Amino acid sequence: SQQGEEDPQALSIQEGENATMNCSYKTSINNLQWYRQNSGRGLVHLILIRSNEREKHSGRLRVTLDTSKKSSSLLITASRAADTASYFCATVHRPSQGGSEKLVFGKGTKLTVNP
Amino acid sequence: KAGVTQTPRYLIKTRGQQVTLSCSPISGHRSVSWYQQTPGQGLQFLFEYFSETQRNKGNFPGRFSGRQFSNSRSEMNVSTLELGDSALYLCASSLRDRGYNEQFFGPGTRLTVL
Repeated sequence: SQQGEEDPQALSIQEGENATMNCSYKTSINNLQWYRQNSGRGLVHLILIRSNEREKHSGRLRVTLDTSKKSSSLLITASRAADTASYFCATVHRPSQGGSEKLVFGKGTKLTVNP
Repeated sequence: KAGVTQTPRYLIKTRGQQVTLSCSPISGHRSVSWYQQTPGQGLQFLFEYFSETQRNKGNFPGRFSGRQFSNSRSEMNVSTLELGDSALYLCASSLRDRGYNEQFFGPGTRLTVL
């Protein structure tokens, strides 16, 4: 399966702490994206990192990508209760035998930030 | 710009029935993708439409079908519903002019099959 896998499946921290989530994938990618989903709602795009980039920042978010290890991490600094949500990585794969790209989501990390 | 809208938001059906879900993308977006989300399987890709053509398809049975209209609005249909079809169905739109970039998701349709 091309599906990315997030680690850990669940994470519980206190407000103000940093939260780190990891994503591993199996086949080569064009880019990797992180999304957030509040309970039972649609997903919100957080950040996109291309395969030739190693690190990207957006506000309190920092994403790293290591294509040699086929892994990415999402760091949320100074977490807030409002950051409580599920976080998904999504990888864009180009099929080896041609065809269109596919966006494949992992199963997500459920983050709980306690006030 | 208005976001992605999905109708209806909630739906209750019984086994054997069929259902049609609707998605209106962000104005100017030509790509619409559909996903099924369940606690057990997570987010599963159903299909993607671009300019009224199905560009990609996931591993779902033929009971799941979709289409896209000239105004980019999309519908998906599930026939002969099964209990396992109970899920949150999400659609996402994007420009998709060069590769997969940011996807804009709708709030989803919660389908319950009894």
